Amino acid sequence: EADIYQTPRYLVIGTGKKITLECSQTMGHDKMYWYQQDPGMELHLIHYSYGVNSTEKGDLSSESTVSRIRTEHFPLTLESARPSHTSQYLCASSGDRQTNYGYTFGSGTRLTVV
Amino acid sequence: GEDVEQSLFLSVREGDSSVINCTYTDSSSTYLYWYKQEPGAGLQLLTYIFSNMDMKQDQRLTVLLNKKDKHLSLRIADTQTGDSAIYFCAETPISGGYNKLIFGAGTRLAVHP
Repeated sequence: EADIYQTPRYLVIGTGKKITLECSQTMGHDKMYWYQQDPGMELHLIHYSYGVNSTEKGDLSSESTVSRIRTEHFPLTLESARPSHTSQYLCASSGDRQTNYGYTFGSGTRLTVV
Repeated sequence: GEDVEQSLFLSVREGDSSVINCTYTDSSSTYLYWYKQEPGAGLQLLTYIFSNMDMKQDQRLTVLLNKKDKHLSLRIADTQTGDSAIYFCAETPISGGYNKLIFGAGTRLAVHP
C-alpha cells in the first residue's frame, strides 16, 4: 500500500547526541517536506525538496539538515541535539493528482531531548 | 504576504453541527484544503475545494468558499466524539508555485456529550 513512513515514532535522547529522523514514501512523489509542530499546534516548515539532490530551507530557521539522495527517502539530521529541539517533527510528500496536490503526512516523530 | 487565520478553539455538543472558519489572504490560491489531526498523529487530508467552486459536500462534511471575502468554512453535520481533533485550513498560493501549502494555526474541536 502506498504510504509515507516515519521512524522512530518517539525518541528520548540526551543533549549533544547526533540523531537522524527517517522519512520514506512509496508513492513516487517528487516533493517532500519537514514540518516542526510546537505545543501550540502551529506547523512550521523547516525543510523541503522538489526532487533528488534538491533541498531548501523552509520558513523557520532550523539547526537540522536534510538530504535527498533517493526519491523515496528524506532523512532529517541533528548533529548535536539540545532541549530546544524538543518537538513533534512531521514529514509530508506531495505530487499526487488524486489529492489535487495536497500533502500526505507521516505519523510524526515526537522528539524529547533531555 | 500569505497568511491563513483560524479561531483556535470550538466546543460543540454531540449531535450538533460544527462550523470551523478560516480566512486566507492570497486570492491566487487554486486549491484550499482541510486537514484533521488526531492526538499523537500526523495530518490527514479531509477534503479540498477548487477555487472556482462555491461549495463541496462529502457525506457529513460541507465546505463553503467565498472567494470575494477569502473565507473558507468546514461544516461537520451530526458531530460525534470521534470528530474531536485539530482541524487545519491550508491554501496553495501562486507565489509558492502551487508547491507549498500555507497552513493556518489549527482549530481545536472539542465534542462533549
